[in-house]
Amino acid sequence: KQEVTQIPAALSVPEGENLVLNCSFTDSAIYNLQWFRQDPGKGLTSLLLIQSSQREQTSGRLNASLDKSSGRSTLYIAASQPGDSATYLCAVDSNYQLIWGAGTKLIIKP
Amino acid sequence: DGGITQSPKYLFRKEGQNVTLSCEQNLNHDAMYWYRQDPGQGLRLIYYSQIVNDFQKGDIAEGYSVSREKKESFPLTVTSAQKNPTAFYLCASSIEQDYYGYTFGSGTRLTVV
Repeated sequence: KQEVTQIPAALSVPEGENLVLNCSFTDSAIYNLQWFRQDPGKGLTSLLLIQSSQREQTSGRLNASLDKSSGRSTLYIAASQPGDSATYLCAVDSNYQLIWGAGTKLIIKP
Repeated sequence: DGGITQSPKYLFRKEGQNVTLSCEQNLNHDAMYWYRQDPGQGLRLIYYSQIVNDFQKGDIAEGYSVSREKKESFPLTVTSAQKNPTAFYLCASSIEQDYYGYTFGSGTRLTVV
C-alpha cells in the first residue's frame, strides 16, 4: 500500500533563504507526483506536476524534483518571501488514486 | 474562468441531521472527487466518480453518500451515520485519470454543533 511522508511537519526560516521540502513515497509505481499549496482554511492550489517520466519541473522560484527509484521528491523554494508562508502538500498518483502526505507548514519570517 | 465551486464555505450540522455539500465544475472534466482533511493528516478520499451516473467508494466512504446525475455536479451528503463529521471537505476534478493533474475547490468547513 502506497504511503506518502513529508518531513519536516513544520519549518520556520528567515525571509530570503533558499529551502527544501521533502516528500517520500513507498511504492515507486506512480503515474505522477504533484505539489500543492494550501493557505489556512482555503482550498488547494496546484504548484507543480511531475509526470513519472520526468525528473523535475520548474515554475518561477519553485523547482520540484522526482527520483522514483528512491521514492523521493523535493520542492525547492528560492529566495523565500513572507507570502510563501502556507502548508505545502505532496500527492502521489498511484493506482488511479491520489495518496497524500500530511504536509509541511512553512513560515517565512520577515 | 473555468473552475470548481464549492458551497457553502461554512456549514453547521446538528446531531442526527443530514447535510449536503455542493460541488460544481465548468472545466468539462470527467472525473470528480471528494476528500476529507483533518488537522495533521493527509487528505483522505471519500468518493470518486469517473463518469456520469457512476461513482466508487474511497477509503472512508462510511457515513457519506454521493450522486453524479450531471457531469458538472458531484454533491456529497454527510449522513447522521457519520459519527465524526467535523472536518474540512475538498472537492476536486480531473481529466479522466488525472493525467493533467487535479483542480480543487476552495473547500467547505463542516462543524457539528
